[in-house]
This record gives sequence, C-alpha cells and structure tokens, in this order.
Amino acid sequence: DQQVKQNSPSLSVQEGRISILNCDYTNSMFDYFLWYKKYPAEGPTFLISISSIKDKNEDGRFTVFLNKSAKHLSLHIVPSQPGDSAVYFCAARLWGGSQGNLIFGKGTKLSVKP
Amino acid sequence: NAGVMQNPRHLVRRRGQEARLRCSPMKGHSHVYWYRQLPEEGLKFMVYLQKENIIDESGMPKERFSAEFPKEGPSILRIQQVVRGDSAAYFCASSPGRMREGETQYFGPGTRLLVL
Repeated sequence: DQQVKQNSPSLSVQEGRISILNCDYTNSMFDYFLWYKKYPAEGPTFLISISSIKDKNEDGRFTVFLNKSAKHLSLHIVPSQPGDSAVYFCAARLWGGSQGNLIFGKGTKLSVKP
Repeated sequence: NAGVMQNPRHLVRRRGQEARLRCSPMKGHSHVYWYRQLPEEGLKFMVYLQKENIIDESGMPKERFSAEFPKEGPSILRIQQVVRGDSAAYFCASSPGRMREGETQYFGPGTRLLVL
C-alpha cells in the first residue's frame, strides 16, 4: 500500500507560468515532508520541506503548502523555468520512527516548455 | 565540500554473483541511508546506519542483503547471489546526525546495478 501518492506521472507547463505538483498521503503520523528534484542519472536534490505544524513554507520561487485535514501537500514553482524540467518526488517522515526512513512517492515528471 | 560519493556508478553482474556498492558520505556526516529505486517507482528505504551501528533496517530484504558502515572507510551495501529482480538504482544519502526538521538527507548519484 502506497502511503505517499503522486497521482500525476507527468505535467507540462509553459515557461513563466506556475507549476503545481501535488502529493497525497494516508498516514496521519507523518510529521515532516520534503520535496526533491531529480535529473536523469543523478541523485535526488533537496528543494524544500515543511513541518506538519505549519501550512506553508516559501523559498524563492518554491512554495510548499500543507493541508493536514485533506492529507495533501503541493509544491508551487513560480515562475517556471526550462531548467526546472525534472522528476519531482514528495517524501514523508514518520513521527516516532528512526527519523531516517523517508517514504517517497513515485514522482511527477515536470516539463517546462520555452 | 565534496558531496556524497558512490561507486561504482554502474555495475553489471550475472545471476548468482555478489554485488558490493560503496558509499562515502559527505565530510562530517556520520549517518548513512540506503534506498533502492526500481524502474518507474519512487525510492524505497532499505537501511539507516550510523558509524558501526545499524539504526533501522526495516526496509532490508531478509535474505542476501547486508549493510555496514565501519569506523573507517565507506558504507557498503552487499547483495549476495544476485537475481534479475535486484536490477535497480541504489542511492546512498547522508546527514550530519539524526535528521531534524529543516534538515535533509543529501543523496549521492546512485549505483545502477544490472543483473544479467
């Protein structure tokens, strides 16, 4: 059973517009969420994170929103740039666990067209 | 500050052989994590180690897989008697200590294992 779901395998956006990547989770005991970006043949690179006690975190062009009641988070990229084209993974950490076990979604492939 | 290093980047093994994957964490990092990514899947946690200790091995298959992080040298993920289903990308990550909020695990470039 997938505890972290990214239901859109791909997303295509025009350069300069907003990209919205979505992530749903099932376990209410997740206390920390992270977004990673991955290029082919490379490892994931950390983008932004959010604690479960917050509902928004912003870093430059990247903003993550958390809706705990809906068990939903989203990553907004504004404005989108062609270099943002990559696979984006949502990950969650379980409260009370070893704090090392991140549970990942399957990823969403973002294509930003010039 | 060099990032997480993994070698080899690509490894080809025949069924029944052993695969050894190495991971050198970032300088100053004493916590190492191993993940596996199958094609079209997300990363799946395997094991979390601190120097000379296994903290969490809840994601490790019960047989053929082992991991260590000795006092000196890199962390090693060892797969004995490989089967075709072991073909995947194996990622190592590291952190300075237990991951706190606002912190992350830093990932290496991965080792792509192909079992023929």
